[in-house]
Amino acid sequence: AQKVTQAQTEISVVEKEDVTLDCVYETRDTTYYLFWYKQPPSGELVFLIRRNSFDEQNEISGRYSWNFQKSTSSFNFTITASQVVDSAVYFCALSEANNNAGNMLTFGGGTRLMVKP
Amino acid sequence: EPEVTQTPSHQVTQMGQEVILRCVPISNHLYFYWYRQILGQKVEFLVSFYNNEISEKSEIFDDQFSVERPDGSNFTLKIRSTKLEDSAMYFCASSHASGRARFTDTQYFGPGTRLTVL
Repeated sequence: AQKVTQAQTEISVVEKEDVTLDCVYETRDTTYYLFWYKQPPSGELVFLIRRNSFDEQNEISGRYSWNFQKSTSSFNFTITASQVVDSAVYFCALSEANNNAGNMLTFGGGTRLMVKP
Repeated sequence: EPEVTQTPSHQVTQMGQEVILRCVPISNHLYFYWYRQILGQKVEFLVSFYNNEISEKSEIFDDQFSVERPDGSNFTLKIRSTKLEDSAMYFCASSHASGRARFTDTQYFGPGTRLTVL
């Protein structure tokens, strides 16, 4: 069974600080996909990134970067120079590719990030 | 940019009543999903739908729930007899990929329908 754990339920930082959101996953499949979604106070789920299990290269997109380490089953998300607009709940999610029945996403519990001015 | 839309944004209903939540997936997408999020909790998978039938459903998706694609654009979730514990945000999502590639594609979510059961 697949499982995603986000141990940090809430993080508070001051604007311009860097912050890392942790994500640890469990799966028995060798092929799987990892995702991060952002849920701002307005409530929608905004896709940020998708990563497949064969691609361990770290990725950077502007102030966002992701560190995927299969050895520790982690897919951490770092925001550099945080801004107030980054305040949101961030969800890590996992999809097992060998799931024959529909590509369901398993979400972690989310990390609420509060960036104070 | 194409997006998933959902109506209504907020629905209030009495316990025992039937509700239908509506979604319009992105037009060239082939897989459709419903998830729910009880206030303050994680997002939970309910059901996936492909080629006019359910692909997978979770334990939450019991006989009180049903899904339908009544025409070429809408995707609906029906709850036959709502309970207090059905109060949640319901998200519709869609993804494009077909065949083996379906496991690779990203699910794009709608803005959600907040269901309140009194």
